[in-house]
Amino acid sequence: DTAVSQTPKYLVTQMGNDKSIKCEQNLGHDTMYWYKQDSKKFLKIMFSYNNKELIINETVPNRFSPKSPDKAHLNLHINSLELGDSAVYFCASSHRLDTQYFGPGTRLTVL
Amino acid sequence: AQSVTQPDIHITVSEGASLELRCNYSYGATPYLFWYVQSPGQGLQLLLKYFSGDTLVQGIKGFEAEFKRSQSSFNLRKPSVHWSDAAEYFCALNSGGGADGLTFGKGTHLIIQP
Repeated sequence: DTAVSQTPKYLVTQMGNDKSIKCEQNLGHDTMYWYKQDSKKFLKIMFSYNNKELIINETVPNRFSPKSPDKAHLNLHINSLELGDSAVYFCASSHRLDTQYFGPGTRLTVL
Repeated sequence: AQSVTQPDIHITVSEGASLELRCNYSYGATPYLFWYVQSPGQGLQLLLKYFSGDTLVQGIKGFEAEFKRSQSSFNLRKPSVHWSDAAEYFCALNSGGGADGLTFGKGTHLIIQP
């Protein structure tokens, strides 16, 4: 059983489109996160959700919006995609301050 | 603000040789520290973590790391590397103040020579 899963694994789209990436965890964790890995492999936190409440929101454009229908899911919606949004997006989950477990990543390419 | 520095962007090691990857952090208190490994096209896998207690921590795949408060370091070591260890290695810090995300270093790319 995959602990943290993401769909799709690859996403290729045109500038200006709206897209979503889904994330699910079956670990029973109470906190979920989204990270962005840029072309230089640098990883940066974007959002975290704890019990369906947004805890932190780093300085990301408001075109990005996390949505959590329940504790096991944290989806990432991106509006009006730009070239600079091309990256690998990772979902992660943890129980409070403990280890964060990462999904396999979604490679987003904006043309 | 907290930060993590991995001074070595690339490291090349011969198979069977020992390995040490450096990590320095900046944080006002004792942080929670992690080492993750990322193989090409894959997600991040936890190697080991330090929260408190014994400053020498053991991880998976024969890795260990030592927390040195005086040097603000958390270096990763392995006595004998295997070709399968070739990957990107990330040191990360969690300040522990609520559901914070991890602050990552920029990574060290490990190349294994036959």
